[in-house]
Amino acid sequence: AQSVTQPDIHITVSEGASLELRCNYSYGATPYLFWYVQSPGQGLQLLLKYFSGDTLVQGIKGFEAEFKRSQSSFNLRKPSVHWSDAAEYFCAVGASGSARQLTFGSGTQLTVLP
Amino acid sequence: GAVVSQHPSWVICKSGTSVKIECRSLDFQATTMFWYRQFPKQSLMLMATSNEGSKATYEQGVEKDKFLINHASLTLSTLTVTSAHPEDSSFYICSARVGAGKETQYFGPGTRLLVL
Repeated sequence: AQSVTQPDIHITVSEGASLELRCNYSYGATPYLFWYVQSPGQGLQLLLKYFSGDTLVQGIKGFEAEFKRSQSSFNLRKPSVHWSDAAEYFCAVGASGSARQLTFGSGTQLTVLP
Repeated sequence: GAVVSQHPSWVICKSGTSVKIECRSLDFQATTMFWYRQFPKQSLMLMATSNEGSKATYEQGVEKDKFLINHASLTLSTLTVTSAHPEDSSFYICSARVGAGKETQYFGPGTRLLVL
């Protein structure tokens, strides 16, 4: 069974600083990987996804993520954080079965200081 | 595109009553929808997978008689929490996937249920 680990429960950065959120996965085959963002009391918005091909994936809102098979990682990055980026971020891995279920990490809460 | 709506966005009910939550894909047809539950400051926990025209597949530990799921059309799935109790209070989120072989799930805004 697949699993996802987000080692950082809470990260605080200053506005304008760079950001990296860590995600490690465990999966026996080539994974489908996703990053979602959740604002308080809201559903999840897809930031980006990786299925195959170029290991550096560009997403919305200036985010990018890099798939590193050797490290089983899919870290999310942003060069300059905006106050509106404060939210909960979830990494997820998709199963290869017909249901294509997602397994989510525990999430990383991002706080942005002015 | 790929918008998913949920209704209601929040509901308060008395213990013992049943509550129905609707999940709709507004601009695409979803052969598969998923229902998740999220407790405060926790991750999403998959409850069940709903396929149009067939019975839902429930995750281990989820009572299928407690959480009734119906996916009668390609744009609508419903979750009914039967005989709700305070411990059922939670944030319920649905997602929808476009067709077979499409891996991306699009999420609804969630429904907050409070059982008194």
